[in-house]
Amino acid sequence: DAGVTQSPTHLIKTRGQHVTLRCSPISGHKSVSWYQQVLGQGPQFIFQYYEKEERGRGNFPDRFSARQFPNYSSELNVNALLLGDSALYLCASSFGAARTGELFFGEGSRLTVL
Amino acid sequence: GESVGLHLPTLSVQEGDNSIINCAYSNSASDYFIWYKQESGKGPQFIIDIRSNMDKRQGQRVTVLLNKTVKHLSLQIAATQPGDSAVYFCAEIYNQGGKLIFGQGTELSVKP
Repeated sequence: DAGVTQSPTHLIKTRGQHVTLRCSPISGHKSVSWYQQVLGQGPQFIFQYYEKEERGRGNFPDRFSARQFPNYSSELNVNALLLGDSALYLCASSFGAARTGELFFGEGSRLTVL
Repeated sequence: GESVGLHLPTLSVQEGDNSIINCAYSNSASDYFIWYKQESGKGPQFIIDIRSNMDKRQGQRVTVLLNKTVKHLSLQIAATQPGDSAVYFCAEIYNQGGKLIFGQGTELSVKP
């Protein structure tokens, strides 16, 4: 069975550019969450979407946005990239939205901003 | 602010020994705790979880202990193997759904 898939796996951007990261959840999972993991630190929550609606938002600026599509896949968009946005962006899926610890993570998209 | 995890950044153990990885959490209202394993170049992998109404839970070669009095969580790995080498994160969930608060992590190194 396919796990959570993310694309691209690696990308390099320059400051001020825009990036779109994509995530396909495990089949049957309706919730997708996005996390940012800076090197040497634990993942930080960015967004959660369930049934195409935003269910939670972390402490990130408005340059970060996301959406979920009818097939439950998701996109994370980051505008006006800063050097500090360089990180591994993780997508995680789960069946439900609430009180679930068993999130299934993808391998991540590693973004480097120069 | 939100925070989980005071840690030993690196833990080195001999193959076959038991490992104990510790974590302190700050939010006494958290009701669900999870341990994740992250190997180099991969996403975090669920290991074991525990609810706040429990103080111990066992899995295959792993045990999680929760001490709510001192807000401390630990992961015990029995008979540590080279394949256990990874970074281990504790995480907590508030009563708000899918938002996980991760600690900084502990890197476990297993010597053959």
